[in-house]
Amino acid sequence: QIQLQQSGPGLVKPSQTLSLTCDISGDSVSNNSAAWNWIRQSPSRGLEWLGRTNYRVKWYIDYAVSMKSRITINTDTSKNQFSLQLNSVTPEDTAVYYCARSRLTLFGIIIAFDSWGQGTRVTVSS
Amino acid sequence: EIVLTQSPGTLSLSPGERATLSCRASQSVASAYLAWYQQKPGQAPRLLIYGGSSRATGVPDRFSGSGSGTDFTLTISRLEPEDFAVYYCQQCGISPYNFGQGTKLEIK
Repeated sequence: QIQLQQSGPGLVKPSQTLSLTCDISGDSVSNNSAAWNWIRQSPSRGLEWLGRTNYRVKWYIDYAVSMKSRITINTDTSKNQFSLQLNSVTPEDTAVYYCARSRLTLFGIIIAFDSWGQGTRVTVSS
Repeated sequence: EIVLTQSPGTLSLSPGERATLSCRASQSVASAYLAWYQQKPGQAPRLLIYGGSSRATGVPDRFSGSGSGTDFTLTISRLEPEDFAVYYCQQCGISPYNFGQGTKLEIK
């Protein structure tokens, strides 16, 4: 059974970089039938998909347009984990951040987000 | 991008009643890529329905999804106390994979 365990700081100063990691057990970050996502949730924005990565012959990454200039999603196959970096944070980035797995069709289209991490509440404040 | 609008914002019902939640898309969504989630306070969302109408593993059969094109519905046939939560729809077919704003199902 898959489990996603998130780690990272709960407090980040404005203009700094938010960094979170999602450790995967029960699946592989290189599974070509899965994609690995970051989502955040705040009262003002609701649930907001940030980006995803998946491996199918090569690594594929897709970011939400609103995040593209500040976001990086990386994978570490040796540790079976993926990570989120969000640069130049502001108080608007205060939210609960989730990692999640999504299953892919044969054509690489996402079906649904079927497993979620426990969430990390991140506050951006000096 | 596809915008999803859920209605009503809040639904007040009693246990045993039937709940009907709506999700309307700003453009057509293939039902194969429409999902529903349940979220309780302090928890991550939980997948209920994928492919528009398929129940995820372990989801009771009182939950059902239907719809096509731009209009989708989540129905809970007979509400149990544990069903009172917030429900979200999501389209997964085209990036960005937007969620609706949610419907809060509360006890009347």
